[in-house]
Amino acid sequence: GAVVSQHPSWVICKSGTSVKIECRSLDFQATTMFWYRQFPKQSLMLMATSNEGSKATYEQGVEKDKFLINHASLTLSTLTVTSAHPEDSSFYICSAKRWGAGGFQETQYFGPGTRLLVL
Amino acid sequence: AQTVTQSQPEMSVQEAETVTLSCTYDTSENNYYLFWYKQPPSRQMILVIRQEAYKQQNATENRFSVNFQKAAKSFSLKISDSQLGDTAMYFCAFLETSGSRLTFGEGTQLTVNP
Repeated sequence: GAVVSQHPSWVICKSGTSVKIECRSLDFQATTMFWYRQFPKQSLMLMATSNEGSKATYEQGVEKDKFLINHASLTLSTLTVTSAHPEDSSFYICSAKRWGAGGFQETQYFGPGTRLLVL
Repeated sequence: AQTVTQSQPEMSVQEAETVTLSCTYDTSENNYYLFWYKQPPSRQMILVIRQEAYKQQNATENRFSVNFQKAAKSFSLKISDSQLGDTAMYFCAFLETSGSRLTFGEGTQLTVNP
């Protein structure tokens, strides 16, 4: 159990276009999902927290108008990179929070990531 | 704010041997969770092991075990009988029970040599 998928796994786009990345929890419901960005050989950088049915919470320095997040259901969150530019090229990873038995154990499970290349 | 420090950017070990990865953290919280995630070349983040701070017993998952020293704020990962498939970047992570944000360390690149 605890499978999280991401789509697409790879995307190449032209500068100025928008790209949508989907994150799905396949076998559990996730009221909270997270979006990270990772540069080569570096750790994960949290971009925003996505809450089902409410607005996302963005980390300091992350442009909310550029990285639009929608968490429309308990199993789906989307990240849209608007007017993408080459500096937005990166590896984007989502995760979903799952509660364990009794509601006391919390673990985040990660999607396989999306490589974005903006030309 | 919580911080997580992994002081070993790179480590290597021979196949079948044991290796220990270090992690220290700083927090004023008393209740929290600690995790080790591995990220192989595929870049899929995989949960290796988790530890609840209120549990004194060290967590174990097959060949993976932790040495959790709460007073010292240390959370090291021991990999026994290392396998080639263990080659990956390993991240230590902290989660306070009252929040949702995972705080990651910088990572340790582990290479298992044949």
